[in-house]
Amino acid sequence: GAGVSQSPRYKVAKRGQDVALRCDPISGHVSLFWYQQALGQGPEFLTYFQNEAQLDKSGLPSDRFFAERPEGSVSTLKIQRTQQEDSAVYLCASTLAGRGRDEQYFGPGTRLTVT
Amino acid sequence: TQLLEQSPQFLSIQEGENLTVYCNSSSVFSSLQWYRQEPGEGPVLLVTVVTGGEVKKLKRLTFQFGDARKDSSLHITAAQPGDTGLYLCAGAGNYGQNFVFGPGTRLSVLP
Repeated sequence: GAGVSQSPRYKVAKRGQDVALRCDPISGHVSLFWYQQALGQGPEFLTYFQNEAQLDKSGLPSDRFFAERPEGSVSTLKIQRTQQEDSAVYLCASTLAGRGRDEQYFGPGTRLTVT
Repeated sequence: TQLLEQSPQFLSIQEGENLTVYCNSSSVFSSLQWYRQEPGEGPVLLVTVVTGGEVKKLKRLTFQFGDARKDSSLHITAAQPGDTGLYLCAGAGNYGQNFVFGPGTRLSVLP
């Protein structure tokens, strides 16, 4: 496909379960970002990859959050031992080159609900 | 920490009216982007402004970056129901840091 895709689109997890969210960026895009968007809020930065290197993970809220992009394309955001406060939409975005002023192309997001 | 505020938080207007929404910060940004987000979708970039005082027009939308590069406004002329959505501003710092998003203005244009 031409755009950024994310799966699953919706995920319901019981508190304490582990979840894995997938992002397929636009082919050839070097940079990939993960954001968390709480209801009624703007996206908040979680982590940034340039190719396979995770250059910035300063936004990850706790050590229960882990992200990887082993081959520099598809990325997975993993949340261990989910808590209710993890309920949010998780957005993935990619850019052709680096961060800075490049246009970010966003996926539709994964809505995570922790019960 | 660079923070962005947006106002108003909610805006409901009739089709054909004009409106302006604002994005403000105490920090200086090297560039600022405006996005529109519809329910169940990711944000879509509308414009990037990089020069203080810059004005960009996109059909009925006019974007302005403040002279000091701390604030921005988005003006919509003759709003249409298709303009309904969440308008987000996002600022980039001077050293290539990640974009910081504001909380958004939720616009509803009634037919």
